Amino acid sequence: QTVVTQEPSFSVSPGGTVTLTCGLSSGSVSTSYYPSWYQQTPGQAPRTLIYNINIRSSGVPDRFSGSILGNKAALTITGAQADDESDYYCVLYMGGGISVFGGGTKLTVL
Amino acid sequence: EVQLLESGGGLVQPGGSLRLSCAASGFTFSSYTMTWVRQAPGKGLEWVSVISGSGSATYYADSVKGRFTISRDNSMNTLYLQMNSLGVEDTAVYYCAKYPTSGIRREDNWFDPWGQGTLVTVSS
Repeated sequence: QTVVTQEPSFSVSPGGTVTLTCGLSSGSVSTSYYPSWYQQTPGQAPRTLIYNINIRSSGVPDRFSGSILGNKAALTITGAQADDESDYYCVLYMGGGISVFGGGTKLTVL
Repeated sequence: EVQLLESGGGLVQPGGSLRLSCAASGFTFSSYTMTWVRQAPGKGLEWVSVISGSGSATYYADSVKGRFTISRDNSMNTLYLQMNSLGVEDTAVYYCAKYPTSGIRREDNWFDPWGQGTLVTVSS
């Protein structure tokens, strides 16, 4: 069974840039997986950041961007702020109506 | 404003059953695909199931296939998840979320908004 992989944790300095990735245990993430990205803070429901690879959801600051980098989907935060400290999840469409989330990345801003 | 409100969670014994509900408001419910996503305590998100706007198409994660049934009542603007043969591994917060369209297409595979979730605890 294919597993969607994300870095378990990442750290970025305030004002810095960080790229979180979303890959596959077997194979490459292409545009046909239509990756989307979600942000979640403790005790809260997830919030949609990016869909269809690189489209920002309504109200999402433009410091968040999505792309395909090499064989992975990527979420880049440019000019990280303290309130970006959250868990970030990607989800890929695997076909046949099935979606799979990555394990999530815990981002620390310090 | 689109709102999703889950209910029906609680404590259930292993092997038991539970039905979750998700009451929707602020949009034409029948025009949108809906999904369930769960999150075990301290763990990541896990996609569970999806149902098209008409209810004619449903899909499940392997971990719940044959045990869980997703359904909807478009006249009541309500999404359901019937969970049978529950095990401790099903303990989680269950979220419902809305798709952008009524179908299930790869280009529409994103979820927004999400409800606040309902906690299901499977324990003896």
